[in-house]
Amino acid sequence: DVKVTQSSRYLVKRTGEKVFLECVQDMDHENMFWYRQDPGLGLRLIYFSYDVKMKEKGDIPEGYSVSREKKERFSLILESASTNQTSMYLCASSFTAEAFFGQGTRLTVV
Amino acid sequence: DQQVKQNSPSLSVQEGRISILNCDYTNSMFDYFLWYKKYPAEGPTFLISISSIKDKNEDGRFTVFLNKSAKHLSLHIVPSQPGDSAVYFCAAKANTGTASKLTFGTGTRLQVTL
Repeated sequence: DVKVTQSSRYLVKRTGEKVFLECVQDMDHENMFWYRQDPGLGLRLIYFSYDVKMKEKGDIPEGYSVSREKKERFSLILESASTNQTSMYLCASSFTAEAFFGQGTRLTVV
Repeated sequence: DQQVKQNSPSLSVQEGRISILNCDYTNSMFDYFLWYKKYPAEGPTFLISISSIKDKNEDGRFTVFLNKSAKHLSLHIVPSQPGDSAVYFCAAKANTGTASKLTFGTGTRLQVTL
């Protein structure tokens, strides 16, 4: 079974902090994604990566950056956390169309 | 601009009856469609998919129908079971770009009652 693991289930951070969300997949997938899920807005794509060190902006990249130094690991970075970044963050990986998701990280910024 | 729309935020169905979840899209470049199921505090899990060259795909209790001319797809669950209660997301992939990124709808919360 494909396994996508996010480093934390729940996080509470203070406004202005730099926040790192880590994601690891074990299926040698080329593509990795970061989404956020908010009520009434569904899943929105923040950033994605199709190869090591390659990244592209998704629909809502403002306030975020990403890093992919190794194929299996994709990190989301909140440069200076703000309260409007309180959300459920979901990492996914894929080889073709079907994406496999991690369990999610519920981030609260206070 | 919402390219994938799920206009019903919630749906309640009795156990044993049919659940029909709907999804509309606007981007004619979408060539593959997927349905995901999500329980609270968990990541979405893949349920069923359909290519744009087909109009129906069936997997056990789950059937997805695609009407390309109307840019509409639907998920049928028959018979509905209490364990089906979850949020269902429709997703679509465009045949462009560097990765198979998915565009998701806003989700429909299905409640299956006893």
